[in-house]
Amino acid sequence: IVMTQSPLSLPVTPGEPASISCRSSQSLLQNDGHSYLDWFLQKPGQSPQLLIYWSSNRVSGVPDRFNGSGSGTDFTLKISRVETEDVGVYYCMQSLQTPLTFGGGTKVEIK
Amino acid sequence: QVQLQQWGAGVLKPSETLSLTCDVSGSSFIGYYWTWIRQSPGKGLEWIGEVNHSGDTNYNPSLKSRVTISVDTSEKQFSLKLSSVTAADTAVYYCVRVGLVSFFWGRGALVTVSS
Repeated sequence: IVMTQSPLSLPVTPGEPASISCRSSQSLLQNDGHSYLDWFLQKPGQSPQLLIYWSSNRVSGVPDRFNGSGSGTDFTLKISRVETEDVGVYYCMQSLQTPLTFGGGTKVEIK
Repeated sequence: QVQLQQWGAGVLKPSETLSLTCDVSGSSFIGYYWTWIRQSPGKGLEWIGEVNHSGDTNYNPSLKSRVTISVDTSEKQFSLKLSSVTAADTAVYYCVRVGLVSFFWGRGALVTVSS
């Protein structure tokens, strides 16, 4: 399954919203009703960390300014008000089937 | 508290075998897939493969002919071997604990392949 993210780079102003898109080459919707799409953030110098699973479920401890949506093949990660600690590279990943595959990443940086 | 501590050779010559081990603490092996993922500038994040506590494995078809992932629950570790490496295998390699709705990553280890 091929994962395509956009944009490649996203300059943002603190306090402003940001939106990242991810598209899969085939539907990630499983019979259980979940779309198997996850979002990760890799902060500079760190390992990736899981933010969102099953398209829209925030991991415990993730701020509620992060919201995932979408189903099937089209997904979006929105940050309602970007903070400086949110900089890094965001990746979507499909976990429907192996091999798990990742999008190319979106680099979020502060203007 | 879960900890994944990985170790192995950081520099290899072409045609050698990459060997990495991940020591696991603070977690049962049951209920998780113990996974290797690599990250290179050219190919981004690439899933290499996984093993469960019983030793059942799944590999990325693109690497399957060269990869072996194994688990030793008595030693609380799992391992990656990648044979016949080339410069294209230069990457940061992560060991990762994958649950139904969780991903816990190790800190990563840079492996460089150079003659």
